[in-house]
Amino acid sequence: NAGVTQTPKFQVLKTGQSMTLQCAQDMNHNSMYWYRQDPGMGLRLIYYSASEGTTDKGEVPNGYNVSRLNKREFSLRLESAAPSQTSVYFCASSDSRQETQYFGPGTRLLVL
Amino acid sequence: GQQVMQIPQYQHVQEGEDFTTYCNSSTTLSNIQWYKQRPGGHPVFLIQLVKSGEVKKQKRLTFQFGEAKKNSSLHITATQTTDVGTYFCAGRPGSTLGRLYFGRGTQLTVWP
Repeated sequence: NAGVTQTPKFQVLKTGQSMTLQCAQDMNHNSMYWYRQDPGMGLRLIYYSASEGTTDKGEVPNGYNVSRLNKREFSLRLESAAPSQTSVYFCASSDSRQETQYFGPGTRLLVL
Repeated sequence: GQQVMQIPQYQHVQEGEDFTTYCNSSTTLSNIQWYKQRPGGHPVFLIQLVKSGEVKKQKRLTFQFGEAKKNSSLHITATQTTDVGTYFCAGRPGSTLGRLYFGRGTQLTVWP
């Protein structure tokens, strides 16, 4: 039981490059989330998926797209990376009833 | 805009001193959760409070939920170096199913 896994752990991109951050959970949770964390800003929600087949924008969705591939997997795509997207990205999942969120280890992204 | 405010942003204490972080919402919350993030780590769930006026304890940690369900606090008695990290509150407004709003966190440093 791995919980929430994220790949890659670290990534360096050049401005304009694209990439996809992968997230998977093995807890049979319905809801999944993508956050970014910047110093002094806490956790800001980018997108979330309340259930398989649905996605909704969070506080800071611009520049990102998401795909809820199946119940286990929720990916985050940066189509054209910008330096402002340098951040630590966390994926999380939760059971609809308990609402406790379980976080993955994070992806540290640097955009040059 | 941010719906959950958390203060202070930083707190430095000597080992053995007490520590408190406060969380306030402009709207009534259906519940509030607290998370801890160790340096370089990911947020980890600590506790959830649901009832008005609820108080819960975990060893040296005391969590309170206000009578109006708009504020909460986390108090640590006699801090230890193992308490170092960032503490986040996260609340769910009564009208928003499934989504949590995180405070910006309080970063605690403990001097030995």
